[in-house]
Amino acid sequence: SQKIEQNSEALNIQEGKTATLTCNYTNYSPAYLQWYRQDPGRGPVFLLLIRENEKEKRKERLKVTFDTTLKQSLFHITASQPADSATYLCALAKGADKLIFGTGTRLQVFP
Amino acid sequence: DAGVIQSPRHEVTEMGQEVTLRCKPISGHDYLFWYRQTMMRGLELLIYFNNNVPIDDSGMPEDRFSAKMPNASFSTLKIQPSEPRDSAVYFCASSLRGGGRLNEQFFGPGTRLTVL
Repeated sequence: SQKIEQNSEALNIQEGKTATLTCNYTNYSPAYLQWYRQDPGRGPVFLLLIRENEKEKRKERLKVTFDTTLKQSLFHITASQPADSATYLCALAKGADKLIFGTGTRLQVFP
Repeated sequence: DAGVIQSPRHEVTEMGQEVTLRCKPISGHDYLFWYRQTMMRGLELLIYFNNNVPIDDSGMPEDRFSAKMPNASFSTLKIQPSEPRDSAVYFCASSLRGGGRLNEQFFGPGTRLTVL
C-alpha cells in the first residue's frame, strides 16, 4: 500500500533561516503533490501544487521540489518568520480526485 | 465567500449515542470530502462526493458511519452508535475541478468530537 512519510519530529529553526521539510513516499507514482499549512484548531490551508513533470515550483518565500526518482518532495521556507510556525502537510494525488495526506511536520520558528 | 462551514464546532456525547456532523461546501464547488484527523493516524479520507453522488467510501471505517449529500449545498456525516474510539476532529473540504484548476481543497474549521 502507499506510504507517505514526513518527519514526525518538530523542526525548530531560528528566524531568518531557511526551513526545509521532507516528504517521502513509497509504492506510488502520483500525478501531482500538494503542500498544506495547518494551524492549531483550524483546517489545513492549501499552499502549493507541483506536478510530476515539474522539478520546482515557487511562491513568494516558498519553494517546492519534486523528485519522482527519489520519490521525495522538499518544501522550503526562506527567510523564515515566527508567523511561519505551524504544521505542514504534504498530500499526494491518488487518481484524479483523491488526496492521501502525510502526518505532517510541526515547524517552530523562534526569534 | 464564507468558506466551508461546519457544525457543530464541538460535540461531546456518550457512547452509544447518534452523532450528526454537518457541512456546507463553498458555493459552486462540485467535490466534497469528509476527513478524520487524529494524532495517531493523521488526516484520513473517509468518503467523497462528486455532484452530490458518493464516489468512494472505502475510507469509512465501519457500518456505523454513513454520509449523505442531499443537495449541492449540504452534507452530513452520521455515526450511530458512537464509540470512544471515534473521538477525533472531523473535517469537511470542497473543491472545484476541471478547467486547468489547481485541484486544491478548501477545508472547513472542523468538528471536534469527543465520545465518552
